[in-house]
Amino acid sequence: AQTVTQSQPEMSVQEAETVTLSCTYDTSENNYYLFWYKQPPSRQMILVIRQEAYKQQNATENRFSVNFQKAAKSFSLKISDSQLGDTAMYFCAFMKHRQGNLIFGKGTKLSVKP
Amino acid sequence: EAGVAQSPRYKIIEKRQSVAFWCNPISGHATLYWYQQILGQGPKLLIQFQNNGVVDDSQLPKDRFSAERLKGVDSTLKIQPAKLEDSAVYLCATSQGVGEKLFFGSGTQLSVL
Repeated sequence: AQTVTQSQPEMSVQEAETVTLSCTYDTSENNYYLFWYKQPPSRQMILVIRQEAYKQQNATENRFSVNFQKAAKSFSLKISDSQLGDTAMYFCAFMKHRQGNLIFGKGTKLSVKP
Repeated sequence: EAGVAQSPRYKIIEKRQSVAFWCNPISGHATLYWYQQILGQGPKLLIQFQNNGVVDDSQLPKDRFSAERLKGVDSTLKIQPAKLEDSAVYLCATSQGVGEKLFFGSGTQLSVL
């Protein structure tokens, strides 16, 4: 069975600074996807970034980038130039190839302070 | 493009009562998921539909939870009878197909007293 672990229950960062959220996972699969989702108080899960396991290049979406270490089963999210609107819960998630179901970690509560 | 619609947004019931949640997917999305998110945890899959057929319901407590997706469009999730530990947010998500990007609704927050 796959598991996803987020070891930081809460993080805080000053506006305009950089923060890194950690995620590790366990799987015996070779073909899978990894995701970071943002969940603001509105409760709607918003996709931040997605990484295919077969791609060595780390995914980047504007201020968001990942450090994907397949051998170490590590998938961290870096947020650059943090903004107040980045305040939310962040969930790391795993999806087996062509299965569809997302397996989530417990989340990290990120607070961006002015 | 309209998003995934869920209702009600909030629901408060007494234990042993029954409750139902409704989800309307994005048009054309064949795959539909119901997740349960208990406070302080990540969402956990309850059931996955492909059109109107069940793909995975291994984590659905079938003695009290039921779900259906008639005509492969709207879906309802029912709890009968509810227990205190069912207090959670129930999220519906849909995708064009298995393995495609998931779009989430805003969820229903259930409180069982």
